[in-house]
Amino acid sequence: DGGITQSPKYLFRKEGQNVTLSCEQNLNHDAMYWYRQDPGQGLRLIYYSQIVNDFQKGDIAEGYSVSREKKESFPLTVTSAQKNPTAFYLCATRDRLNTEAFFGQGTRLTVV
Amino acid sequence: AQSVTQPDIHITVSEGASLELRCNYSYGATPYLFWYVQSPGQGLQLLLKYFSGDTLVQGIKGFEAEFKRSQSSFNLRKPSVHWSDAAEYFCAVGLDSWGKLQFGAGTQVVVTP
Repeated sequence: DGGITQSPKYLFRKEGQNVTLSCEQNLNHDAMYWYRQDPGQGLRLIYYSQIVNDFQKGDIAEGYSVSREKKESFPLTVTSAQKNPTAFYLCATRDRLNTEAFFGQGTRLTVV
Repeated sequence: AQSVTQPDIHITVSEGASLELRCNYSYGATPYLFWYVQSPGQGLQLLLKYFSGDTLVQGIKGFEAEFKRSQSSFNLRKPSVHWSDAAEYFCAVGLDSWGKLQFGAGTQVVVTP
């Protein structure tokens, strides 16, 4: 079954700890994205990657890091440098032919 | 700087009435344009998209959108809303088919009986 899998759905971490959010896709899409969603602010782009081993900063990259070692996977690490990490995180993919983005179901991160 | 603006944070509409959601963008060239809908706690679903051709685009669930180059707008419309249309709606803009994709702040739609 094709799609985008984000895991876990809910994640709780203590302040000061790094945490990694998983995003896996079997759509064979080239581009992958990470967005952060906060109430009233829409989706803000953290990082995106168009090819393996390459990625670009989005509008709010500070305090986050990513890797793209294989086409199917684009994990996001929320580091202790991120001042306010509690949010809903969405992963998306896109291919050049269809142009539209497809989204995972999201991970809700709560830092206590 | 490139930007996407959805001027209305919140819209309340009666069931059966028409709905229009506004989206304006600031990009140098005609971008790729999208409308998405999100139910609470879920991912986003594509309603429709535009990048060339007929400026009136038909989407799913009875939605349509019109691209107006002179106004840098891509407004979403539905002639008669149903209670199930209550959700948050996002306009998205990209310069190409697989690069940076930027979203507006969203419009929350409430449908009253």
